[in-house]
Amino acid sequence: GAVVSQHPSWVICKSGTSVKIECRSLDFQATTMFWYRQFPKQSLMLMATSNEGSKATYEQGVEKDKFLINHASLTLSTLTVTSAHPEDSSFYICSASRPGGLMNTEAFFGQGTRLTVV
Amino acid sequence: DAKTTQPNSMESNEEEPVHLPCNHSTISGTDYIHWYRQLPSQGPEYVIHGLTSNVNNRMASLAIAEDRKSSTLILHRATLRDAAVYYCILGRQTGANNLFFGTGTRLTVIP
Repeated sequence: GAVVSQHPSWVICKSGTSVKIECRSLDFQATTMFWYRQFPKQSLMLMATSNEGSKATYEQGVEKDKFLINHASLTLSTLTVTSAHPEDSSFYICSASRPGGLMNTEAFFGQGTRLTVV
Repeated sequence: DAKTTQPNSMESNEEEPVHLPCNHSTISGTDYIHWYRQLPSQGPEYVIHGLTSNVNNRMASLAIAEDRKSSTLILHRATLRDAAVYYCILGRQTGANNLFFGTGTRLTVIP
């Protein structure tokens, strides 16, 4: 079964509003989670690294004030798209990996959240 | 980050083996080779990974060239459920999974 869960699976919002997406690790604690964005027919693009108890690390070109990340607990990271615009419409995906295992073990991905801004 | 090169698309007949190639000529000595796949409208899922030796698991096999500059993901019997985009990714950092996805190979399985 799924070990990383996202909510909601899809959301439609009006332009100018904010949307929060949750990413939960279900059966392990994740000090680090990752957020990706995927536009239609394109590959996944890493947006940021979410660190429990500290600030997120953003990839170049990703606006930290627009994509707010909060990793307040070891099982939950949230991504808030603030003042959303139609160009923010995309498939947002999070991932996490089990701590304490072998190096470079698998990453578990959420099922994704499809955001449509109208 | 070291890049990987994959064909944009491949086709396979159902129940036949599939060999998905990946070139990674700039791979470093500590890079692991990871394969993930993404079914339509879903998040990626792990397939297999390796460092130097060939690897087998219940999903697939990974054949790694001796010089590590290329690898091949082998699906032994393609099923319709294997139709997906397959990504070959080099993992630079141990213990972390900030994966940088390339364009991947879209596998179509023909019934």
